Amino acid sequence: AQSVTQLGSHVSVSEGALVLLRCNYSSSVPPYLFWYVQYPNQGLQLLLKYTTGATLVKGINGFEAEFKKSETSFHLTKPSAHMSDAAEYFCAQSQTGGGNKLTFGTGTQLKVEL
Amino acid sequence: ETGVTQSPTHLIKTRGQQVTLRCSSQSGHNTVSWYQQALGQGPQFIFQYYREEENGRGNFPPRFSGLQFPNYSSELNVNALELDDSALYLCASSLQGVDSPLHFGNGTRLTVT
Repeated sequence: AQSVTQLGSHVSVSEGALVLLRCNYSSSVPPYLFWYVQYPNQGLQLLLKYTTGATLVKGINGFEAEFKKSETSFHLTKPSAHMSDAAEYFCAQSQTGGGNKLTFGTGTQLKVEL
Repeated sequence: ETGVTQSPTHLIKTRGQQVTLRCSSQSGHNTVSWYQQALGQGPQFIFQYYREEENGRGNFPPRFSGLQFPNYSSELNVNALELDDSALYLCASSLQGVDSPLHFGNGTRLTVT
């Protein structure tokens, strides 16, 4: 079965520091990959997606992610954290042959401290 | 443009009861997907509807069923509620297509006692 692994259920950074959220996928064929953000009591909002082409994907709010097939990874980064980035982040992959039906990771709660 | 709206926002039911959750799609979207998000977990795919037909189903029992209407709005029905059904239920609308992004509503928080 396909799975998405997010290392670290909680990550804490200082404001202005680098944000690195880790995601590894399992798929025998190159999947489509997504990062979503969820603020308290809200639904999920798409940050960025990788489909084909350039492996470095830029998203909203200064986030970017790099698709590395050799490492089956799709880590999310942001050079400088802001207090408003505090939220839960989910990595997801499209199900093989499944269109836009997604398999999500368990999420990483990002805390930003002053 | 109007986003995805879900109703109700919160619901408390007793074990064994039935529940219906509703979702209005974003304008122009023809596909609706439902996800279950248990506390501390990522969303789990329940099923997807496209043109009023089920278009894929996750690992959920038949007591989870759905409908999509001609205006692309949707319902999720759960029969014989169990305590483990307590979760946030998320509806997402989209166009059909592997790289069409999902647009999520804010969810319905279901508590089963």
